[in-house]
Amino acid sequence: DAKTTQPPSMDCAEGRAANLPCNHSTISGNEYVYWYRQIHSQGPQYIIHGLKNNETNEMASLIITEDRKSSTLILPHATLRDTAVYYCIVNYGGSQGNLIFGKGTKLSVKP
Amino acid sequence: DGGITQSPKYLFRKEGQNVTLSCEQNLNHDAMYWYRQDPGQGLRLIYYSQIVNDFQKGDIAEGYSVSREKKESFPLTVTSAQKNPTAFYLCASSVDPGPETQYFGPGTRLLVL
Repeated sequence: DAKTTQPPSMDCAEGRAANLPCNHSTISGNEYVYWYRQIHSQGPQYIIHGLKNNETNEMASLIITEDRKSSTLILPHATLRDTAVYYCIVNYGGSQGNLIFGKGTKLSVKP
Repeated sequence: DGGITQSPKYLFRKEGQNVTLSCEQNLNHDAMYWYRQDPGQGLRLIYYSQIVNDFQKGDIAEGYSVSREKKESFPLTVTSAQKNPTAFYLCASSVDPGPETQYFGPGTRLLVL
């Protein structure tokens, strides 16, 4: 089972920042937090990942709380093309290395 | 450009028929994975391969088979034993097995006639 809890849906106005929360209260010390997104009928796309420190790349920023029990993905200037399901993942299924996806958050960016 | 390709985009299966989904990657990745996605759900692992000529069952392997004869190829066969095959199938790869970033193909949608 997924070890994360995300809101099922969120709305964001185009051009504004989108802040997507994720709770992972049972995360282990060596587990990374990964974020992926899936645009309708396409394969998931990697966004960002982190362990303890906040991370930023060309797509987004990841803020992880000091106790590592929750995190927030920030899309600084959301566009209509950012409309997708966003998945927060912290569980790798042990030696399998697979990603365990929950149901994610459906982000709708509106004009 | 490096990436993962899956074909076909849509596939139709008749009752009692085996069908094979193709997955090819030119990223020189050792690990490859097959996931199944049902409407409104997350992804579930079918099979994975950590290296050429080796593969293991995932959480929902029944009714499926795979091979890994080449590093770049990891085809999935949906057999007649899979009674509910209608789903979106996704292939992924990573440099190594374990907590590595995975890169996904565009997916194949399988429909039963």
